[in-house]
Formats: sequence, structure tokens, C-alpha cells
Amino acid sequence: KQEVTQIPAALSVPEGENLVLNCSFTDSAIYNLQWFRQDPGKGLTSLLLIQSSQREQTSGRLNASLDKSSGRSTLYIAASQPGDSATYLCAPLYAGNTGKLIFGQGTTLQVKP
Amino acid sequence: DTGVSQNPRHKITKRGQNVTFRCDPISEHNRLYWYRQTLGQGPEFLTYFQNEAQLEKSRLLSDRFSAERPKGSFSTLEIQRTEQGDSAMYLCASSLGTGGRNQPQHFGDGTRLSIL
Repeated sequence: KQEVTQIPAALSVPEGENLVLNCSFTDSAIYNLQWFRQDPGKGLTSLLLIQSSQREQTSGRLNASLDKSSGRSTLYIAASQPGDSATYLCAPLYAGNTGKLIFGQGTTLQVKP
Repeated sequence: DTGVSQNPRHKITKRGQNVTFRCDPISEHNRLYWYRQTLGQGPEFLTYFQNEAQLEKSRLLSDRFSAERPKGSFSTLEIQRTEQGDSAMYLCASSLGTGGRNQPQHFGDGTRLSIL
């Protein structure tokens, strides 16, 4: 069964901390994995997409890594800011799925000033 | 790039009524997806179009649900005889699919449906 687990479910940190969000998926046969951010009542904003052949992707203070063999991806946020407070979702595109993303429940992050 | 646009943003209706949502994808994107999200959960896939062809439907999509994408541009999602359990955020996403390489999916802000 194609599943995604994100740990922790919620995280509260003081401003300035570096933090790591974890994503586990059940099948190593994926085309790519996408990380999203969702603010309350809003849609999803794409942060990073890692192709299956890549090990990591960086965008500003964000770095996402991918280890297909272990079924894991991590999102690293450097020097967190209150504006980073949101729910973060990961979604692998499993091989055989033409476009259907499978989502975890997300990690809700609160960065306190 | 104007992004994915969804209308209406909110819809409140009585149980048993029919509702229709619209999604306008990013103009050059040939792939369009519908997802449903309930509170505290990640989005769940409903259906997927490549151009005007509906290529996949989830088992979540009962016969009360129908989606169309005429001419491969905008898409509509209709729910007939709405039930309490249909209350959710309905999200639309689009992407550019070229051969075997999958581009990122970009989401709209969703339509929140509340069934009274």
C-alpha cells in the first residue's frame, strides 16, 4: 500500500533554530518527491521537487534530501523565522502513478518570535 | 504566470443540493488534478486529466461526483445530492507533463465546501 508518514506531527521552536522535518514512504519506486507548505485556509505552495535520480535540492534556507533505498526524505529549514509557521507536507509520486500524489498528514510548525 | 485559480473560494449549501466548482490551471499546463482535503489531513487524490482526457479516478469519487475538462483548458467538478461527508476543501492542481519527466504540481487556493 502506498503510504506516507510525517514525523513529528507538530513542532514548536524559537526563532533562529535550525530544524528537520521527516517524511517516510513505503515504496522506494518513486519518480520524484515534492515538498509543500500550506498556510491555514489556503492551498499548497510548492517548495521543492526532488527527482528520483537526485539526492538533494536547495532553495534559499530550505534543503530537501532524498534517500530512496530507505524510503526517507528530510526537509531542513535553516535559521527559522516566524513567517515559516505553516503545515509542511511531503508527497512522493510513486512509479506507476501517472500523476497522483500521495500525501502524509503533514508537520505543523510554529516558530515563536 | 497567474497561478491556478479556483472559484468559488467558499460554498455553503444545504444537504441534497448540487454544487459545481471551477478550476483554471496555469495556461500552458496539460495536466490537471483534483484533490480533497479534510481538516487535519493531507489532500487525497480524486481525479486526473491529461488535456481533455480523464485518465484516472479514485474510488473516493462516487457516482455523485463528476469532473470534466472540455477542450483541455478549465475543469469543473460537480457533486450531486450533497451529503454532510462532502464537507471539505477541494483543491485543484496543474502541471506540465512532458514524456517521462514529471514537473511539479502547482495548487490553487481551493474551494471550501460546507454542507448544512
